[in-house]
Amino acid sequence: ETGVTQSPTHLIKTRGQQVTLRCSSQSGHNTVSWYQQALGQGPQFIFQYYREEENGRGNFPPRFSGLQFPNYSSELNVNALELDDSALYLCASKQLPSGANVLTFGAGSRLTVL
Amino acid sequence: AQSVTQLGSHVSVSEGALVLLRCNYSSSVPPYLFWYVQYPNQGLQLLLKYTSAATLVKGINGFEAEFKKSETSFHLTKPSAHMSDAAEYFCAVSGLDSGGGADGLTFGKGTHLIIQP
Repeated sequence: ETGVTQSPTHLIKTRGQQVTLRCSSQSGHNTVSWYQQALGQGPQFIFQYYREEENGRGNFPPRFSGLQFPNYSSELNVNALELDDSALYLCASKQLPSGANVLTFGAGSRLTVL
Repeated sequence: AQSVTQLGSHVSVSEGALVLLRCNYSSSVPPYLFWYVQYPNQGLQLLLKYTSAATLVKGINGFEAEFKKSETSFHLTKPSAHMSDAAEYFCAVSGLDSGGGADGLTFGKGTHLIIQP
């Protein structure tokens, strides 16, 4: 089975720009979530998509938005980039319904905002 | 609300020595608990999980963790450290997610494990 794949692996943007990150979920998984991992910190939950709708969100502003497609892949969009948005963005997938929140993570997209 | 505290941002042990990484959690619902490992420039790999079955959980690479409700702890151990265990380790907590809503995983800040030869 294929794992979670993310693209691009690295990218550099400037303040005020917009970015789109992409994620393909693991085969057989129907739910995708996104996490932000700042340098030296643990990952923080951004949001989760299930059945193409956002069904959970962490403490992130509306300029962080996403999509899930019928094939369960997903995009994370960030508008009006700020310097503090520099981080590793991790995508994770799982199969719902499931009693345990067991996620499979991708290798991440490292975003640098200058 | 849920939170995780990992005691010690860096832990150093000698090769062959016992590894003990500490994790304490708080949760308003029965928790699911996880340990993940992250190698440089990689994503997170699940080491083990506690999902309300046996309190002593065995994971991959010889790691295990014990859920102690009275102490709200889920410490990770390995009897004998190997050089390849050097990595960042994250403890995480979540509640049940049956599809009706999700709060995601709440992670600790991580513990960097250093293995000395």
